[in-house]
Amino acid sequence: QKEVEQNSGPLSVPEGAIASLNCTYSDRGSQSFFWYRQYSGKSPELIMSIYSNGDKEDGRFTAQLNKASQYVSLLIRDSQPSDSATYLCAVTSGSARQLTFGSGTQLTVLP
Amino acid sequence: GAGVSQSPSNKVTEKGKDVELRCDPISGHTALYWYRQSLGQGLEFLIYFQGNSAPDKSGLPSDRFSAERTGGSVSTLTIQRTQQEDSAVYLCASSLARPTNEKLFFGSGTQLSVL
Repeated sequence: QKEVEQNSGPLSVPEGAIASLNCTYSDRGSQSFFWYRQYSGKSPELIMSIYSNGDKEDGRFTAQLNKASQYVSLLIRDSQPSDSATYLCAVTSGSARQLTFGSGTQLTVLP
Repeated sequence: GAGVSQSPSNKVTEKGKDVELRCDPISGHTALYWYRQSLGQGLEFLIYFQGNSAPDKSGLPSDRFSAERTGGSVSTLTIQRTQQEDSAVYLCASSLARPTNEKLFFGSGTQLSVL
């Protein structure tokens, strides 16, 4: 079982819709959770971090964390074509300090 | 510099040759990571340096891979006797590594092609 799992997609949504990206992780001791966005041919950049159960909102982005279910998600409201990218879920493992990434979900927002 | 700097940006080498990839992290960042990303794939963890602690080498795929970090700053990833399956983008990232601040800043990567 992979440590961090994401649906690879591709996920397509129309402009203005809500995009929902999901991630599960295997290490119950994980404490820090991140969403990175990676445009084609570019390096990843951090868009959201979340550390406690519940929702965290930042502009059009909302991260949701449920440690009991070992599940973290990212919602993008009012999706724009510029949101088209691969979204990587990353989790800090409980024992080590390394950051483990999922394989990413490719999102396409259709104009 | 303002960001994480990696060199070279592109490296083409012949199978069996050794290569060295360099990473210059953001000044003051104590944590440094190396990841590998194959085409269309996620990030594969290779190695993690944190201050003066022993590095976490658990992600290195074979003993052909090694890395060092001199003076807590610049890092070099060395691949000996390169193989075609080593072809990938090698990404370096640094962070402040405080418990609640683990934002990674990535360099632009080194595209390695082994012929």
